[in-house]
Amino acid sequence: EVQLVESGGGLVRPGGSLRLSCAASGFTFSSYSMNWVRQAPGKGLEWVSSISGGSGYVYYADSVKGRFTISRDNAKNSLYLQMNSLGAGDTAMYYCARGGGNSVYYYMDVWGKGTTVTVSS
Amino acid sequence: QSVLTQPPSSSGTPGQRVIISCSGSSSNIGSNTVNWYQQLPGTAPKLLIYSNDQRPSGVPDRFSGSKSGTSASLAISGLQSEDEADYYCAAWDDSLNGWVFGGGTKLTLL
Repeated sequence: EVQLVESGGGLVRPGGSLRLSCAASGFTFSSYSMNWVRQAPGKGLEWVSSISGGSGYVYYADSVKGRFTISRDNAKNSLYLQMNSLGAGDTAMYYCARGGGNSVYYYMDVWGKGTTVTVSS
Repeated sequence: QSVLTQPPSSSGTPGQRVIISCSGSSSNIGSNTVNWYQQLPGTAPKLLIYSNDQRPSGVPDRFSGSKSGTSASLAISGLQSEDEADYYCAAWDDSLNGWVFGGGTKLTLL
């Protein structure tokens, strides 16, 4: 069964850092691009970042550029999101989503259940 | 303010057909394909339509998608109670170099 499981969320103070992880199983991880999408409480979906299967292509939303870093370890079937300089606007559920192919331009066809990040003093 | 524009809400009665619109621009819908996601209350989004009009395996044929120019539409026929959800359109934006989503449409059954 294809599965994505996020972890690493929690409560962090403004200006702090957090590293999210996404463990993938049931498919050849290195053959697929991966994405992070977030959803603030009561709000819509917001794309955060994408990475191609071989990590050669990486993209970020303007709202997180320079603060967040996406990475992956294909040997460990894992996706990561390093989040620095966190602010209240980063409070959200963070979803890991698989791209439909190696390129980042593919639709997101499998989603994890999400991990919650709360930024508050 | 979302790059793609959707109506915030829509409603229908059981068995009815509803259409949800999604409006964009030449840099997103105008030059790339559109995907639709369904988010049931309290759950993660699920891919509903990809590449404008393709249904993933397991999605009923009551759901259909179309695209024309810089706009796209999701049609749901034979509305059922389990269709009550939020629906989002999405497309890659060549100018922003990233994915853009619509603000979401909350579908309510009357």
